[in-house]
Amino acid sequence: AQSVSQHNHHVILSEAASLELGCNYSYGGTVNLFWYVQYPGQHLQLLLKYFSGDPLVKGIKGFEAEFIKSKFSFNLRKPSVQWSDTAEYFCAVNAPLSGGYNKLIFGAGTRLAVHP
Amino acid sequence: EPEVTQTPSHQVTQMGQEVILRCVPISNHLYFYWYRQILGQKVEFLVSFYNNEISEKSEIFDDQFSVERPDGSNFTLKIRSTKLEDSAMYFCASSRGQGASSYEQYFGPGTRLTVT
Repeated sequence: AQSVSQHNHHVILSEAASLELGCNYSYGGTVNLFWYVQYPGQHLQLLLKYFSGDPLVKGIKGFEAEFIKSKFSFNLRKPSVQWSDTAEYFCAVNAPLSGGYNKLIFGAGTRLAVHP
Repeated sequence: EPEVTQTPSHQVTQMGQEVILRCVPISNHLYFYWYRQILGQKVEFLVSFYNNEISEKSEIFDDQFSVERPDGSNFTLKIRSTKLEDSAMYFCASSRGQGASSYEQYFGPGTRLTVT
């Protein structure tokens, strides 16, 4: 069965520090990969996605992620975090089904706290 | 920008009662989903729905659960006889259609269900 692992459950950083959140998945076939963010009290928002092509994808708010197929990884990065990046971050993989619809399989989430 | 909306934002019910959670997906989307997140746990897929029928459901989605698209705009999740362990945040999501665009799911703000 597909699964998604996020290595860090809780990360605490100071403003301007660099961020890297790990995500690994277990699935040998074609995958589509996502990072979602959930700000306090808000709903899940898509940060970035990878379907195909350039393995380095750029998302909103200065985030980027790199798909490394050989490592089954899709790590999220940001060179310099801000206090407003405080949120929970979820890595997700889609599981293609017949007919074009699919479900997302989520990791456990990483709670990021950025201190000013 | 179009959004997925959900009502109510918080529902408190007694064990054994029926609840209906409501969602209005984005208007030109064709695929609909329900996910849930028990407090402190990962977001879990419940069910996907397309063309007025369930396309896939998880093992969580047992006979106590049902989904319906009663009109052209609403998408509902019914829990027939709630249990304490149904307490969770329930997220509705929708996606556009076939091909790569179907892989991007847009999430609603969630309904927090508390079963007492």
